[in-house]
Amino acid sequence: GAGVSQSPSNKVTEKGKDVELRCDPISGHTALYWYRQSLGQGLEFLIYFQGNSAPDKSGLPSDRFSAERTGGSVSTLTIQRTQQEDSAVYLCASSFGAGIETQYFGPGTRLLVL
Amino acid sequence: DQQVKQNSPSLSVQEGRISILNCDYTNSMFDYFLWYKKYPAEGPTFLISISSIKDKNEDGRFTVFLNKSAKHLSLHIVPSQPGDSAVYFCAASDSGGSEKLVFGKGTKLTVNP
Repeated sequence: GAGVSQSPSNKVTEKGKDVELRCDPISGHTALYWYRQSLGQGLEFLIYFQGNSAPDKSGLPSDRFSAERTGGSVSTLTIQRTQQEDSAVYLCASSFGAGIETQYFGPGTRLLVL
Repeated sequence: DQQVKQNSPSLSVQEGRISILNCDYTNSMFDYFLWYKKYPAEGPTFLISISSIKDKNEDGRFTVFLNKSAKHLSLHIVPSQPGDSAVYFCAASDSGGSEKLVFGKGTKLTVNP
């Protein structure tokens, strides 16, 4: 079946503009995660959705970052008033359920803020 | 404070030999560990995992060893193949807490023909 898909694959924007990144999880997966990988760093957790529960937003670096998940499927990560330090690869992952479940990653969105 | 550390940024081995990638963690609450492989311009791909109730898990050419007392795990690839060349990430989670994964910075493995 289809894996996790993300769009766009690449995004170049100017400092101060807003961007929206999209994630389509694997069908049937109830858990969805956003991570980001800055240059030379490991993956950094941003936010986690599980079913209808309140999302775990503990990894969001500032209030310029927000995410929503509509209908328990597609998720959008929004970065407002982008800064150069927001440049990174933003990765989405999904898993079958909560708890110890293998997370499957999408190819990522490469964001460059000029 | 890095909770998952991969101290070797790169490793180079000859085809057919063993590759050993190491990972250390500091959070004693971690009880589930995973290895992911990442090719350029692709997302990480799950490779193998181990629960803290085990000290070894094997899947084909890949074996993960866990030493809880030392808070150390390692991934062994035998025999190494050129197609194994990628960045390998160690990740950990606390099943009793958040489901989020905490990742190391990765080790770039190069397998030379």
